[in-house]
Amino acid sequence: DVKVTQSSRYLVKRTGEKVFLECVQDMDHENMFWYRQDPGLGLRLIYFSYDVKMKEKGDIPEGYSVSREKKERFSLILESASTNQTSMYLCASQGALGEQYFGPGTRLTVT
Amino acid sequence: KQEVTQIPAALSVPEGENLVLNCSFTDSAIYNLQWFRQDPGKGLTSLLLIQSSQREQTSGRLNASLDKSSGRSTLYIAASQPGDSATYLCAVFSGSNYKLTFGKGTLLTVNP
Repeated sequence: DVKVTQSSRYLVKRTGEKVFLECVQDMDHENMFWYRQDPGLGLRLIYFSYDVKMKEKGDIPEGYSVSREKKERFSLILESASTNQTSMYLCASQGALGEQYFGPGTRLTVT
Repeated sequence: KQEVTQIPAALSVPEGENLVLNCSFTDSAIYNLQWFRQDPGKGLTSLLLIQSSQREQTSGRLNASLDKSSGRSTLYIAASQPGDSATYLCAVFSGSNYKLTFGKGTLLTVNP
């Protein structure tokens, strides 16, 4: 079974802090994704990566950056956290058939 | 731009009932469609994946169908149970840009 893990289930940070969210997959998948999920807005793609050191902006990249130094690990970085970045963050890994496998999510609160 | 719509937004049924959740998409040039389940505060669990060349997929009490030409998919749940209560999301993979496009989900409540 594919396993996607995220570094934290819950995180509370202060405005202006730099925040790192980490995601690790164990299936040697090339494609990995970061989404945020908000009530009424659904899932929105922040960034994705199709190989080590390769990344592309999704629909809402502003205020975020990403890092993929190793194939199994994809990190989302909030350079200076703001209250409007309070959300559920979901990481996913994509298999060869296009199917996506999700981690358990990180609920981030920025105060 | 691909858009995915799920109807109804919420559904409440008594235990034991068979039910259908609907998903429609605007661009029929898809590679596959995936149905997910999400419990409150949790990540998404993949239920079924239908490739564009397939008409349906089954897993236990779940059956998903795909009509690519009309831009529709249905998720059929047989003999519903309270444990089926969750939000169900469908997502289409258009392939050209690696992206999944998600619907906003149907919140299902199965009452004992």
